[in-house]
Amino acid sequence: AQKVTQAQTEISVVEKEDVTLDCVYETRDTTYYLFWYKQPPSGELVFLIRRNSFDEQNEISGRYSWNFQKSTSSFNFTITASQVVDSAVYFCALSGGIDNFNKFYFGSGTKLNVKP
Amino acid sequence: GAGVSQSPRYKVAKRGQDVALRCDPISGHVSLFWYQQALGQGPEFLTYFQNEAQLDKSGLPSDRFFAERPEGSVSTLKIQRTQQEDSAVYLCASSLLARQTISGNTIYFGEGSWLTVV
Repeated sequence: AQKVTQAQTEISVVEKEDVTLDCVYETRDTTYYLFWYKQPPSGELVFLIRRNSFDEQNEISGRYSWNFQKSTSSFNFTITASQVVDSAVYFCALSGGIDNFNKFYFGSGTKLNVKP
Repeated sequence: GAGVSQSPRYKVAKRGQDVALRCDPISGHVSLFWYQQALGQGPEFLTYFQNEAQLDKSGLPSDRFFAERPEGSVSTLKIQRTQQEDSAVYLCASSLLARQTISGNTIYFGEGSWLTVV
């Protein structure tokens, strides 16, 4: 069974603080993909990053960084020096399986509030 | 436009009414998905099309839900005899390829159709 858990329902930080959003996943597949999406109030899901199960290298993109650890089944997302524009709901998602039809299993999301 | 377009953006339906939600994927995209997102929850998979073929409809909650993509481009999600529990955002997504690959296959989401059943 595929499952994604985002235990943090809502996080509030003050601008310029660093913040980490947690994601824990469950899967029996050896090949799978992990994603982070941002959902602003407009509702559209904006793609941030994709990781495949064979690549555990951490990635940094500007103020964003991701820490993928297969040993703990986690794919955490850190925003450095947060800004008000980072305020949104962030979703972690998992895709994998024999058919690999891009079917996503989403976590319940973490709402990030960045206050000025 | 260049993105996934959905209409209507907002729909209020009376219980028992039929509704149709439209999705215009990015031109040339093979894969098309429908997801349902209840308030405060993550999106949940409804159905998947590869071109005009509906390859997975395991997420459709009941036989009141029906989706089609007759020409392999525009898709319609139809909900018959709407119930209050159908109130949600319905998200459409598309991707260029039929499956994930090592090199990537980004899935693009639309802004969703917000359905409220009263």
